[in-house]
Amino acid sequence: DIVLTQSPATLSLSPGDRATLSCRASQSVSNYLAWYQQKPGQAPRLLIYDASNRATGIPARFSGSGSGTDFTLTISSLEPEDFAVYYCQQRGNWIFTFGPGTKVDIK
Amino acid sequence: EVQLVQSGAEVKKPGESLKISCRGSEHTFSNNWIAWVRQMPGKGLEWMGIIYPGDSDTRYSPSFQGLVTMSVDMSISTAYLQWSGLKASDTAIYYCARLEYDWTTWLDPWGQGTLVTVSS
Repeated sequence: DIVLTQSPATLSLSPGDRATLSCRASQSVSNYLAWYQQKPGQAPRLLIYDASNRATGIPARFSGSGSGTDFTLTISSLEPEDFAVYYCQQRGNWIFTFGPGTKVDIK
Repeated sequence: EVQLVQSGAEVKKPGESLKISCRGSEHTFSNNWIAWVRQMPGKGLEWMGIIYPGDSDTRYSPSFQGLVTMSVDMSISTAYLQWSGLKASDTAIYYCARLEYDWTTWLDPWGQGTLVTVSS
């Protein structure tokens, strides 16, 4: 099965900073990678699908890039509501796997 | 807007049975897949499996095969996740989420989650 690793585990930044989150797959997933945001006490919310497509209603400050095994989620300028945990996810046939998450917290 | 609404929190004893639910619109259940995802306390997301309400075609994660049962009741647009003998290690939040087509690679939207607590 494909394993996803995310780095860093925690990212400590200030509002207005640029956040760069990494997700690496153990083998190529083409561009079939999604990103989710989860705030405390809430369900995950889809941000990006197929590596670079923003989901409906997601602000333009969120962008995704990459293909194959290396992917990046970028938040261009952090808003207070962006401090959360971010997960990447891939689908291989009928096996879905999630990365361990990156927590973006306030510095 | 597609919405998935899950049943409320449960507190159970080890060995007890449990069935939690995820209700959507008639359209959602006629044409989409419903996935279940576990989140243990303070941990990440784990995919448990997925069911197609149209014909109950079910695919389980190997990690959860035989431990849980997924089912649907199309007449009330509801999917279920059930256990026949809960363990303390089943304590977690369980989310349902939609897979729009069998070729889609992302899950959206998600239900609000059901907290299951198993304790003696």
